[in-house]
Amino acid sequence: SSELTQDPAVSVALGQTVRITCQGDSLRRYYASWYQQKPGQAPVLVIYGKNNRPSGIPDRFSGSTSGNTASLTITGAQAEDEGDYYCNSRDSSGNHRVFGGGTKLTVL
Amino acid sequence: EVQLVESGGGLVQPGGSLRLSCAGSEFTFSSYWMSWVRQAPGKGLEWVANIKQDGGEKYYVDSVKGRFTISRDNAKNSLYLQMNSLRAEDTAVYYCAREIVVVVAAMQYFDLWGRGTLVTVSS
Repeated sequence: SSELTQDPAVSVALGQTVRITCQGDSLRRYYASWYQQKPGQAPVLVIYGKNNRPSGIPDRFSGSTSGNTASLTITGAQAEDEGDYYCNSRDSSGNHRVFGGGTKLTVL
Repeated sequence: EVQLVESGGGLVQPGGSLRLSCAGSEFTFSSYWMSWVRQAPGKGLEWVANIKQDGGEKYYVDSVKGRFTISRDNAKNSLYLQMNSLRAEDTAVYYCAREIVVVVAAMQYFDLWGRGTLVTVSS
């Protein structure tokens, strides 16, 4: 079982704001990173660290952490944002990596 | 172009072995931690193993410990995953991923991924 917990599915109306969450004890010590994956494609990093976006990721993507919960927020969701989103961090030992179970985002 | 390219996947019988390779290009391969991440059909991502820049530290998910071995050849810009005693539940697309580890910032993430190679364990 994953040490990071995500809601299986979330939906958002086009242009609205959506928050995808990730819970786990290790998030009290380590930052989460977030990945977007579309069908048949490799994951793409969208947020890392406190709130950093790789080059090419739109600024509508942002990240935050409070206690044991990390959040990915998409402000003004677009149709192309549909896909699966995974959080990632370390486990409680600090040596192993772990992914959340993933959240399927639907843009209505 | 900065990229990772996996190879070596295929169909193998339960109990069999397979060796995956990952070739890095257009970046200093020896400067990075490297990981293998897999994804079973219709399922989520699962981290499998990683290896430090000099190969001095290696870590594995419990489900593959003792069966899989991660290694690297920095002179060849290559990462490997030797998989033995394969089981049906090892069936997945295996991704090679470059890992950034910033200890002082309590930060770790995968910034570059290959396209993956499919491993199917079936009789």
